[in-house]
Amino acid sequence: EAQVTQNPRYLITVTGKKLTVTCSQNMNHEYMSWYRQDPGLGLRQIYYSMNVEVTDKGDVPEGYKVSRKEKRNFPLILESPSPNQTSLYFCASRGGWTSGNNEQFFGPGTRLTVL
Amino acid sequence: KNQVEQSPQSLIILEGKNCTLQCNYTVSPFSNLRWYKQDTGRGPVSLTIMTFSENTKSNGRYTATLDADTKQSSLHITASQLSDSASYICVVSLSNSGYALNFGKGTSLLVTP
Repeated sequence: EAQVTQNPRYLITVTGKKLTVTCSQNMNHEYMSWYRQDPGLGLRQIYYSMNVEVTDKGDVPEGYKVSRKEKRNFPLILESPSPNQTSLYFCASRGGWTSGNNEQFFGPGTRLTVL
Repeated sequence: KNQVEQSPQSLIILEGKNCTLQCNYTVSPFSNLRWYKQDTGRGPVSLTIMTFSENTKSNGRYTATLDADTKQSSLHITASQLSDSASYICVVSLSNSGYALNFGKGTSLLVTP
């Protein structure tokens, strides 16, 4: 089954304790991205990657890091989480622009609480 | 300034009724417009994708329309069901990047018995 998976689905942590949210897709998609969703603000892009070893900042990158060492994985790293990073996070993937497969698939979400 | 505006912000309708959600955008140059359905606490799921040359697309009881001249789109839901209760998000893609997506803030729909 074609899907985007995220782990963990729920996480409660404390300020300053480094954490990683994993994202994996099995559709051989080139493009992956991370979003956060907050009430009243909608989905906002954190980082995106157009292919292996190619990443770039989205609209709200402060406090986050990403890496793309393999095509299928795109982890989101919070080196020193703060309470304002409490949010619902979504990973997404999409085929390349020239591939004709422009459908974007979202993961199930990770609800993060930073105390 | 958000380049994709959706209205209404929220809507309550009775089961079985029809409704129409609106999306106005200023994104240019336009490539395609997507409508997503997002159930509470879950990831968005694609309903329709329309390119510049398409002005209507259906997916079951969901019908999206697009007027690229006025930069407006609508999502019409026919014979609503309780399971249609969700947030509906309009997303517009730029043609010169292929990757940049502009998200609306969504319309929250509640279908009541």
